[in-house]
Amino acid sequence: DTAVSQTPKYLVTQMGNDKSIKCEQNLGHDTMYWYKQDSKKFLKIMFSYNNKELIINETVPNRFSPKSPDKAHLNLHINSLELGDSAVYFCASSRLDRSQAFFGQGTRLTVV
Amino acid sequence: GENVEQHPSTLSVQEGDSAVIKCTYSDSASNYFPWYKQELGKRPQLIIDIRSNVGEKKDQRIAVTLNKTAKHFSLHITETQPEDSAVYFCAARFGNEKLTFGTGTRLTIIP
Repeated sequence: DTAVSQTPKYLVTQMGNDKSIKCEQNLGHDTMYWYKQDSKKFLKIMFSYNNKELIINETVPNRFSPKSPDKAHLNLHINSLELGDSAVYFCASSRLDRSQAFFGQGTRLTVV
Repeated sequence: GENVEQHPSTLSVQEGDSAVIKCTYSDSASNYFPWYKQELGKRPQLIIDIRSNVGEKKDQRIAVTLNKTAKHFSLHITETQPEDSAVYFCAARFGNEKLTFGTGTRLTIIP
């Protein structure tokens, strides 16, 4: 009965590879997000989708491409992975009024 | 865009004492201010939030105060316990804009 779930929890991959992280929410929320948390714990928004429509794209390299097949899912595909992409990526969702955001458990991406 | 500053970056308090974390924001139109707690290796979770039409909100040992004129808001934790040890994030948002997070405060409760 997890509210926001993302997979995988851990991802170790080599530079140059392409990988995807999946996210699903069962809260009936209209808005979903991807956040990146670096080694200093800074939480920065990457993307926001509202009912499958891209709302926010925060100067993220175009190697990162979010995809929302429906309002309950927001996946993140990353091409040509770089060392600097290593971080914890959190998916989150909220109601349309963007009040409380519920976070997934995070995906720790390590690029070697 | 919104800019949120958070202080201190680290805070150690003796068990049973109070802890205060402060944040300032730049956009005077911001109207929603949540606080998140992130335990080691876990996801951020909302612990309390306040809207701009309220000056103070309390939930058991946790309280948040908001000073709209000065554009700052604070988290107060009283009677701290070891399980309060975590990283705490403040955030601010205007309307339906994005939620902007502070840089986090690592709180350590000393038994």
